[in-house]
Amino acid sequence: GAGVSQSPSNKVTEKGKDVELRCDPISGHTALYWYRQSLGQGLEFLIYFQGNSAPDKSGLPSDRFSAERTGGSVSTLTIQRTQQEDSAVYLCASSLSSGRGNEQFFGPGTRLTVL
Amino acid sequence: EDKVVQSPLSLVVHEGDTVTLNCSYEVTNFRSLLWYKQEKKAPTFLFMLTSSGIEKKSGRLSSILDKKELSSILNITATQTGDSAIYLCAVEGGSNYKLTFGKGTLLTVNP
Repeated sequence: GAGVSQSPSNKVTEKGKDVELRCDPISGHTALYWYRQSLGQGLEFLIYFQGNSAPDKSGLPSDRFSAERTGGSVSTLTIQRTQQEDSAVYLCASSLSSGRGNEQFFGPGTRLTVL
Repeated sequence: EDKVVQSPLSLVVHEGDTVTLNCSYEVTNFRSLLWYKQEKKAPTFLFMLTSSGIEKKSGRLSSILDKKELSSILNITATQTGDSAIYLCAVEGGSNYKLTFGKGTLLTVNP
């Protein structure tokens, strides 16, 4: 595709429900990243994929958060039993590969609101 | 823990002014420093800097990295209202190429 796409663009859910956020990276990009941006905060790293494997999950805030990537392309970020503090914009980025000189291109994000 | 600090946090100027945004960092295994512009949702890439002292320029925007001082500046000359945005600085480092972001500088350019 022309750019990174994410869906849904907005998601409102009730506390305790599970949500799935989807990211379609730029075609041919092997590295994929998930970030979270809360109001007034910078982007917070969540997880990174190289191909289908996730060498760095250090940013996932709790075991309610998980992510997978299949076919080296689409990735899904799942948040189980959502809490109000999960409300944020979730941004996905991709790059050609994880290595020096590969800038990350961002998708438009999913704004998650947990009531 | 890797850290990126941007200053000022916010800035209000008039069209035509020149602004300088600052970014300082502490990161293990530094690889590069990136500047992004965020207007609505998706940050858009501006510059990637890897070498000290070499200015990168794109129109009215320019940026330079000082590895000795662990910092970078982003200059915008002859500002326009369309430059109003959050400017994010990020550093690539660590063992897994993740970006560590600063909190950003909110720039408002008034007509």
